[in-house]
Amino acid sequence: EPEVTQTPSHQVTQMGQEVILRCVPISNHLYFYWYRQILGQKVEFLVSFYNNEISEKSEIFDDQFSVERPDGSNFTLKIRSTKLEDSAMYFCASRGRSTGELFFGEGSRLTVL
Amino acid sequence: DQQVKQNSPSLSVQEGRISILNCDYTNSMFDYFLWYKKYPAEGPTFLISISSIKDKNEDGRFTVFLNKSAKHLSLHIVPSQPGDSAVYFCAASSTYNTDKLIFGTGTRLQVFP
Repeated sequence: EPEVTQTPSHQVTQMGQEVILRCVPISNHLYFYWYRQILGQKVEFLVSFYNNEISEKSEIFDDQFSVERPDGSNFTLKIRSTKLEDSAMYFCASRGRSTGELFFGEGSRLTVL
Repeated sequence: DQQVKQNSPSLSVQEGRISILNCDYTNSMFDYFLWYKKYPAEGPTFLISISSIKDKNEDGRFTVFLNKSAKHLSLHIVPSQPGDSAVYFCAASSTYNTDKLIFGTGTRLQVFP
């Protein structure tokens, strides 16, 4: 069964460092998303991406964040200068054109020290 | 601004009995609702969805009920099994903005033998 894959599964970084989280969405999907979940809190929308551009972003997705689809398969989230409060599970998701449900990856745990 | 609320953080049910998880929403523009199941250290897994043109959708042991006038939906699991133990998230979106899902805070379901 097709699935969304994410790497790394866990990354530990120092505050102020850049981090890139990678995702391979399901191959025929067209809409891509990043969500995050801070420990014990709800899953929060960060950004959606369609047709090679951001279609919507939340307040959390400030200038420190960026997304890119560098080739036909990868979808990346970059945090330019990490802060302690960026520590969370980051989930990539994708969906097809005709369905409303998002398919999520297993997440990348980011720990900022 | 909690547009999607799950007021019960946890629920404990005996195996074989019915589990009922509740969700309330405030945004009347929402017209598509989903339930996701999440195990620790994994991404949310889509369970079942319902469009606002329906008031019930059933898939095996899972049934979602939608009460638009009350802005309330519920997920029924019957019979409950120990493998159903997980965190269940309600999510909502609007046809006018299908780029993102808004998640509730989740309900931890524990099914005991």
